[in-house]
Order: sequence, then C-alpha cells, then structure tokens
Amino acid sequence: GAVVSQHPSWVICKSGTSVKIECRSLDFQATTMFWYRQFPKQSLMLMATSNEGSKATYEQGVEKDKFLINHASLTLSTLTVTSAHPEDSSFYICSARGPRTGSDSPLHFGNGTRLTVT
Amino acid sequence: DQQVKQNSPSLSVQEGRISILNCDYTNSMFDYFLWYKKYPAEGPTFLISISSIKDKNEDGRFTVFLNKSAKHLSLHIVPSQPGDSAVYFCAASARSGNTPLVFGKGTRLSVIA
Repeated sequence: GAVVSQHPSWVICKSGTSVKIECRSLDFQATTMFWYRQFPKQSLMLMATSNEGSKATYEQGVEKDKFLINHASLTLSTLTVTSAHPEDSSFYICSARGPRTGSDSPLHFGNGTRLTVT
Repeated sequence: DQQVKQNSPSLSVQEGRISILNCDYTNSMFDYFLWYKKYPAEGPTFLISISSIKDKNEDGRFTVFLNKSAKHLSLHIVPSQPGDSAVYFCAASARSGNTPLVFGKGTRLSVIA
C-alpha cells in the first residue's frame, strides 16, 4: 500500500536553532502534502498544505516565516521550524493523499516527528 | 469551533465485546468520513471510510455507520481485541478537490483481556 516516510522520528534542539523535517511519498507521487501538528491529548491540527512547485497554503494562525515549507518534487516535502522555541515542541506529522485520484483517496500519514526544544 | 467532535476521550471494553466509538460533525458540507487508529509516537493509520451516499460500510471486524440527518457516525469493532487498544480519530472532509481532513480530538480505546 501507499507509504509515507517521515524523518527524523525525533529530534532535540536548542532554542534558536532550526530543524528540518522531511516527508517522502515512497511509492506514489503526491502533488499535495499536508502538515499537521498534535499537542498532547489534542486533535491533529492542520498547519499548512504543501503544493509541489508552488507556495504552501498556511492555516490561520500559523506563521509562514517560522514554519517554512518546500515541496520541490512530487515525492518530497520539507518543513523547517526556524528559530525554534520551547513552545514549538510538539508532534509534527505529514500526510499525503494516496495513489487514487480525487478526495476519495484516504490520507496516508508519516510516523511523525517528535520535536523537543530545550 | 470544533467541526468534528469526539465527546468521549476514553473508552474501556472487555476483550470479545463490542467497542462503539462515536463522532459528531457540524459542517453539512462534509460528505466523506474516515476513521484512523493511532499508537503512541506513530502517525495515524487509515482504518475505514464512508461516503455520504452510504449509511454503512463494513471491513472485517470494523463497521462504520453514518446518520446524515443526525450528523453522527460511529465505529463498531467486534469482537474487540487487546491489539485494538489505541487512540481512534474520526475525520471528515468535503468532496471538493484535494481538501485536507478535519479531525476530532480522538478517543482512547482500552481493550481489557
């Protein structure tokens, strides 16, 4: 089945540094990928929609200059958390719609990245 | 304002019994619904879906029921197994292109042996 790979699975960084998270669709092409964030005991909150070859679309309240998204190819999207602060510590998950076209195809998720900013 | 609500944060069920997880939505534009299962420190895994043209979809031990008039759906797991213990997320979307999903807060299911 469709597989989405996310790397790294966990990262600890110091406050003020930047962290890059990669999301790859392994056996299908994904023109659109979605980045979610989950706080403990909370729902998955959509941060942005990543479009191959164009600018990402950010949800209200998400700082585009802080969370840089690059979708340079049909199989890779990256999320860079710039100048990270402790409040950015969270579980970040990427997803892509499966090989079937249209909105009927379920989203497939990466295993997520646990970011801890000290 | 939550568009997808899972009002039970947790549920405990004995092994072999039926687990029923509930989900309510408010957006009448939603016409495609999914259930995801999530283990700690992992991404959600797609479980089962249903479109608004149906009121029931079954896949093995998992059945999803949709009541459009009540804007309510439920996931039935029977018989429940200890390996089913996880957080279950209900999600919904409107069938208007490549739209993202809106998730509920999840229900933690514990199946007790």
